[in-house]
Amino acid sequence: DGGITQSPKYLFRKEGQNVTLSCEQNLNHDAMYWYRQDPGQGLRLIYYSQIVNDFQKGDIAEGYSVSREKKESFPLTVTSAQKNPTAFYLCASGTAEAFFGQGTRLTVV
Amino acid sequence: GNSVTQMEGPVTLSEEAFLTINCTYTATGYPSLFWYVQYPGEGLQLLLKATKADDKGSNKGFEATYRKETTSFHLEKGSVQVSDSAVYFCALEGGNNRKLIWGLGTSLAVNP
Repeated sequence: DGGITQSPKYLFRKEGQNVTLSCEQNLNHDAMYWYRQDPGQGLRLIYYSQIVNDFQKGDIAEGYSVSREKKESFPLTVTSAQKNPTAFYLCASGTAEAFFGQGTRLTVV
Repeated sequence: GNSVTQMEGPVTLSEEAFLTINCTYTATGYPSLFWYVQYPGEGLQLLLKATKADDKGSNKGFEATYRKETTSFHLEKGSVQVSDSAVYFCALEGGNNRKLIWGLGTSLAVNP
């Protein structure tokens, strides 16, 4: 089955540590996106990539980094520079119509 | 620029009640319009879409009509169920890079 997979589902990070969230898709989509969702709020775009080896900052890129070395993969690193990283992170792929992963809930302990 | 305005929640209904969630948009041209649903603890799923004026998207008893004259795409369902409890997001295809522009989401709780 085609789809988009995020891992892990739950992630705990100590303050000052970097952590990488995985996102893999087998839908052959060029475009991929990372969103952050806080309780009771909408989706905020962190980074997006429209093609391999290229990506652009979204609305809240500070404290995050990404890479797009393969079409299937778009990992997100939450760095220690992100002051409030506890949130639900969603990865999506597709042009116009988006397909979402199940999300990763990151908690700083 | 393109934008989406969605009615604020939370919306609380009894089972079998009629549902309307309002969504209006600002856009140049004629972007595709979408409704997504997010069940607790999960990612978003496409619920329905419309790609041109007067199109009606429908799925699982939900409907929305692309109204160019009122720049609206309101979500409706004639009889909600407890299982419809979720957050609903309106979105439009935005700009040259075609990434989606999102509303803030409307939380729906349906009581038995």
